[in-house]
Amino acid sequence: AAGVIQSPRHLIKEKRETATLKCYPIPRHDTVYWYQQGPGQDPQFLISFYEKMQSDKGSIPDRFSAQQFSDYHSELNMSSLELGDSALYFCASSPAGGMEETQYFGPGTRLLVL
Amino acid sequence: AQKVTQAQTEISVVEKEDVTLDCVYETRDTTYYLFWYKQPPSGELVFLIRRNSFDEQNEISGRYSWNFQKSTSSFNFTITASQVVDSAVYFCALSEYSGGGADGLTFGKGTHLIIQP
Repeated sequence: AAGVIQSPRHLIKEKRETATLKCYPIPRHDTVYWYQQGPGQDPQFLISFYEKMQSDKGSIPDRFSAQQFSDYHSELNMSSLELGDSALYFCASSPAGGMEETQYFGPGTRLLVL
Repeated sequence: AQKVTQAQTEISVVEKEDVTLDCVYETRDTTYYLFWYKQPPSGELVFLIRRNSFDEQNEISGRYSWNFQKSTSSFNFTITASQVVDSAVYFCALSEYSGGGADGLTFGKGTHLIIQP
């Protein structure tokens, strides 16, 4: 079965640079979520989108922004990167406008900020 | 505010032993959803089970079973006859029902399960 696709899988950036992470949801899933997982930590919810509109917002820094496109893929844009942004970034998708449906996670993008 | 507590940071057992992972949650909502995810050393998050607050029926899937008790706000996970491949970090998570859907999950800190051969 098709799963959530995230790209790139690994990314190395310098402080103050920008990064863009991409997420392609499972086919026919219209809701996308972003999470950040620091080393040894639990995943922290950042933001979610349903039908290209922001749906829920968690602890997303102002330096980060995200959007969902007409083909339902989503991008997380991160600017003025800091050392503390080094983490595993997960995208998840669910069907039918969320409605507390199960979120299926992608493999993650491992971001290292030097 | 919602909260998930997994008091067991790390559990180590010998293969074939049974092991129970505890999860206690806090929420003010009467409608909510509970989940368990597995994160093996490779890093991905694998969905195991989803439970609605109005369905307290326990569930068994092979060697896995879940015990949901609203009276004690607990959603515990038992692995029977554990195997080395069960070694992973297990996360319990909670989602409150907001009516709008697409709500983020609140995760517990996770329990690192080590199955020794």
